[in-house]
Amino acid sequence: GENVEQHPSTLSVQEGDSAVIKCTYSDSASNYFPWYKQELGKRPQLIIDIRSNVGEKKDQRIAVTLNKTAKHFSLHITETQPEDSAVYFCAAVKGTGGFKTIFGAGTRLFVKA
Amino acid sequence: EPEVTQTPSHQVTQMGQEVILRCVPISNHLYFYWYRQILGQKVEFLVSFYNNEISEKSEIFDDQFSVERPDGSNFTLKIRSTKLEDSAMYFCASTQTNTFSVYYEQYFGPGTRLTVT
Repeated sequence: GENVEQHPSTLSVQEGDSAVIKCTYSDSASNYFPWYKQELGKRPQLIIDIRSNVGEKKDQRIAVTLNKTAKHFSLHITETQPEDSAVYFCAAVKGTGGFKTIFGAGTRLFVKA
Repeated sequence: EPEVTQTPSHQVTQMGQEVILRCVPISNHLYFYWYRQILGQKVEFLVSFYNNEISEKSEIFDDQFSVERPDGSNFTLKIRSTKLEDSAMYFCASTQTNTFSVYYEQYFGPGTRLTVT
């Protein structure tokens, strides 16, 4: 069935360093790839997304890359700050029919001051 | 900025009881979703709903679950006979769409924490 694998499960970085989170999806019909940040007890918040016709997208300190052939996509956070500490989820959305969304297992990011 | 709202924020129920979780999607959105997140785990897709019918559902969404849009604003998730393993945070989400464009961004509500005892 559809699956999204996400690595690492935990990531600890020093403030100012970069953080990279990687995901792999299985369903070739997926064509939209959002990344969510979730703080404890809160709703997932969209931080960046990419569609399958684009290879890279950047928004200030956050960038996402997509390799559709390899079914890989990655989140890059530069100049990390303590407030970036949260759980990050990748997801793959099948953009036909009912937009079924499969989430990765999450990465807990700790940014040490 | 318009937001998805959900009520109640926390629901405690006994095993075997029926619960209805309520959501008010953003007013011009046409696709609606329910997700579940067991504590400390990933977000899991339950169902998507468009034009008054289910568009997609996951294997989690069995006969115990149903969804309904009873009026022009509410979107509900009913669990007929709750089990201990239904304890989770349930998120509603909605997406804008129209005839000419497909918008993918899903706006999540704050969630309802369901505790089954």
